[in-house]
Amino acid sequence: TQLLEQSPQFLSIQEGENLTVYCNSSSVFSSLQWYRQEPGEGPVLLVTVVTGGEVKKLKRLTFQFGDARKDSSLHITAAQPGDTGLYLCAGARGSSNTGKLIFGQGTTLQVKP
Amino acid sequence: NAGVMQNPRHLVRRRGQEARLRCSPMKGHSHVYWYRQLPEEGLKFMVYLQKENIIDESGMPKERFSAEFPKEGPSILRIQQVVRGDSAAYFCASSPVPGGNGYTFGSGTRLTVV
Repeated sequence: TQLLEQSPQFLSIQEGENLTVYCNSSSVFSSLQWYRQEPGEGPVLLVTVVTGGEVKKLKRLTFQFGDARKDSSLHITAAQPGDTGLYLCAGARGSSNTGKLIFGQGTTLQVKP
Repeated sequence: NAGVMQNPRHLVRRRGQEARLRCSPMKGHSHVYWYRQLPEEGLKFMVYLQKENIIDESGMPKERFSAEFPKEGPSILRIQQVVRGDSAAYFCASSPVPGGNGYTFGSGTRLTVV
């Protein structure tokens, strides 16, 4: 059973297009994080959202945490080839003191020049 | 300020051998996590350690796998009698407080069992 479902799993778009990646669950998370991972490297933290309804922006990336803290989305405006990579959402359940994160299976994004 | 350092980056072992994966957390980080990533899958939690203590090992297979984070030195993930199914990328992450607000990951160790 996948606690965090990401969609789509694969996305191939042209430079300049917009896209949205979704991360959904039936469970409530105390916080949710988004990472980007490039081939042969470890994931790099992009953002952490904690409050239901929270919206955070990181340049052309907009992250939203659902009101019920069960889902999140990542929107990229005017995608560039440098955005290519594997995007992972990860949630912490219960007290943040558990330290354990549950990861989605990832969305592979390819941005063609 | 060096990030999370993992070594080796690549490790090849024959079936039945032991694999030792090392992780030095970021300076000032006392919380270490190990995750395993199989091809086309997300990361799966294995174990969470603080200095000299295992806090949560609920994701670790009961047999052949062990982890430690001694008072001095790196954290070690040890896999005894490796099998082909152990082939994966193993990532270590660290945080200054329990990780609900984000980790710093290392570059991983890619284990291949032949």
